Amino acid sequence: GQNIDQPTEMTATEGAIVQINCTYQTSGFNGLFWYQQHAGEAPTFLSYNVLDGLEEKGRFSSFLSRSKGYSYLLLKELQMKDSASYLCAVRDIDNQAGTALIFGKGTTLSVSS
Amino acid sequence: NAGVTQTPKFQVLKTGQSMTLQCAQDMNHEYMSWYRQDPGMGLRLIHYSVGAGITDQGEVPNGYNVSRSTTEDFPLRLLSAAPSQTSVYFCASSGGEFTSTDTQYFGPGTRLTVL
Repeated sequence: GQNIDQPTEMTATEGAIVQINCTYQTSGFNGLFWYQQHAGEAPTFLSYNVLDGLEEKGRFSSFLSRSKGYSYLLLKELQMKDSASYLCAVRDIDNQAGTALIFGKGTTLSVSS
Repeated sequence: NAGVTQTPKFQVLKTGQSMTLQCAQDMNHEYMSWYRQDPGMGLRLIHYSVGAGITDQGEVPNGYNVSRSTTEDFPLRLLSAAPSQTSVYFCASSGGEFTSTDTQYFGPGTRLTVL
């Protein structure tokens, strides 16, 4: 079966660091994506990992361990505007849908002052 | 580039009515897909297309039809609307190649309510 798990909700304070974890089990693997989605808006691309290790993009970093089926998104120097849902998605190349993404249910992050 | 556009933004239907959700992209992307997003369920794939004239079912295709007569357009048809189809619908497109830059770009969504 195919399964992607991530926590439902997280809270943090402005200026802090938060780590959002994602574990996955899919029949194939050709990359893991993180998307950010503000309430009432479309998901927007944050990061992509296909090889093990850390990818850094400004305040956001994403890590992947393929052997463990595990990824995390690290957000530093949190700002109020980072309050959003964060979606973990796996591109399953063995899936009939080709480049379709399998999404987790999303983690809603609330940042308070 | 307008990216991925969807119309309408909001729609209310009565049970049994049919309608078409429109999706268009101007990035010359081969791959297009439709997702629905429900609270607590995440994004689920309805139908997808790997190019003009080619479509296939995703995870939750029942009650929906699609066609892809051009590269740009990928409409989603609800044949006989049911309350269970109340959801937010997102169209997405990508180049369709397995490269690191081949992320999916999402349209703004259509919020559908079926009474």
